[in-house]
Amino acid sequence: DAGVIQSPRHEVTEMGQEVTLRCKPISGHNSLFWYRQTMMRGLELLIYFNNNVPIDDSGMPEDRFSAKMPNASFSTLKIQPSEPRDSAVYFCASRSGLAGTDTQYFGPGTRLTVL
Amino acid sequence: GQNIDQPTEMTATEGAIVQINCTYQTSGFNGLFWYQQHAGEAPTFLSYNVLDGLEEKGRFSSFLSRSKGYSYLLLKELQMKDSASYLCAVRDEKLTFGTGTRLTIIP
Repeated sequence: DAGVIQSPRHEVTEMGQEVTLRCKPISGHNSLFWYRQTMMRGLELLIYFNNNVPIDDSGMPEDRFSAKMPNASFSTLKIQPSEPRDSAVYFCASRSGLAGTDTQYFGPGTRLTVL
Repeated sequence: GQNIDQPTEMTATEGAIVQINCTYQTSGFNGLFWYQQHAGEAPTFLSYNVLDGLEEKGRFSSFLSRSKGYSYLLLKELQMKDSASYLCAVRDEKLTFGTGTRLTIIP
C-alpha cells in the first residue's frame, strides 16, 4: 500500500502567485481531510470530504482557499492569491469510513513557503 | 466547539516512564486519539479511546475519563526514538487536535 500521496513535497512561491497542492488518498478510503500545521496554531482542519462531497469547510481561512475532490482518488487545495502568512505544512489525510475507530492516515505533507 | 489542552514540552530520561496529560472541553465526543509526530514527518496513529479506562499497546498505554474530560498517554521503557511531539485529538464528526507536547528523551 503506497499510503497517502501528496505533491509537491516542497513549494516556494512569491506572494500573489497561485499555489495548487495535490493529494491521492489510500485506495478504498472514502473520507479525505486537508490540514494546515504551523508552530503557532498547531494542526488545523481546513476541510473534509466524504464520498467526494465537501462536508465541512468551516476551517478554510478565507476565500483565497478552495478545495476540490473530482473523484475518489484525487483532491486539490488551491490558494489564490498566496500570501506570506499561508506559509505552513499542509497535510492530507484519508480514512476508510465514519466509524469512530477508523483511523486517519496522513500523507507526508507539503511544506509551503510564500515569500 | 472544542478546546484541548496539553503541556507544550516535557523531558524524560531514557528507560524511564512518562505521562502526557490532555484535558478537553467539547460540544460532542466520539472518541479520543493520540498521534505521534517526529520532526519533519507526518502524524502517525498511536491509540484510540472511546470508553473510560486504560488501553494498552506494548510500551504505550492511553487512559480516558469522559466525566472528567481527561486523558493521558503513558510511555514506558523510554527510548531515544520516542523523542517526538505527541498530539491529543478529540473526535466529534471531525478530529480536533491539541497543539501537541514535544517530548525530549535524554540519556
